[in-house]
Amino acid sequence: EIVLTQSPAILSLSPGERATLSCRASQSISIYLAWYQQKPGQAPRLLIYDASQRATGIPARFSGSGSGTDFTLTISRLEPEDFALYYCQQRSNWPLTFGGGTKVEIK
Amino acid sequence: EVQLVESGGGLVQPGGSLRLSCAASRFTFSSYWMSWVRQAPGKGLEWVANIKQDGSDKFYVDSVRGRFTISRDNAKNSLYLQMNSLRAEDTAVYYCARVTGLDWYFDLWGGGTLVTVSS
Repeated sequence: EIVLTQSPAILSLSPGERATLSCRASQSISIYLAWYQQKPGQAPRLLIYDASQRATGIPARFSGSGSGTDFTLTISRLEPEDFALYYCQQRSNWPLTFGGGTKVEIK
Repeated sequence: EVQLVESGGGLVQPGGSLRLSCAASRFTFSSYWMSWVRQAPGKGLEWVANIKQDGSDKFYVDSVRGRFTISRDNAKNSLYLQMNSLRAEDTAVYYCARVTGLDWYFDLWGGGTLVTVSS
């Protein structure tokens, strides 16, 4: 099973700042990684797939990069609605697995 | 509006059974692989099971294989999860999710239904 490790667990930032979230895979997963946003009491929303492709309707301030074992989600300028939990997910190997999440909170 | 709506969650004793349902609307349900993903209270996400468009292929995470059965009824635009021999560690919000083509990502999620396994 591929283990995804997200860091940091909590990221405290102010609106307008840049957020950089990391996801590291226990073995190479090529570019087969997605990022999801989840707000309290809501279902996750797909943001990025195949490491760098924005999903439909996702603002350009969200970008993804990386390949192999190291991946990054960047939010260029945090908007109030971006404070949430973020998860990565790999589709390279079965079972499909998710990271433990990074909480982006208001500083 | 394109949506998925789960139902059937509740409180069940260890060893008991429960059947979850997911109603799909405003998209061609029969064209998509579908999944169940769960989230234990305060924890991260865990993929549970997938089912092919015609129901002919199914995949499960090891922890539920042999206890849970995923199925679908394309005529009713519905997805199901039959859960037997439930354990305390199965306590979670269960989400129905649509798979993106053959990419094995999830591009549409329901609001979830809570399953609590406790005596």
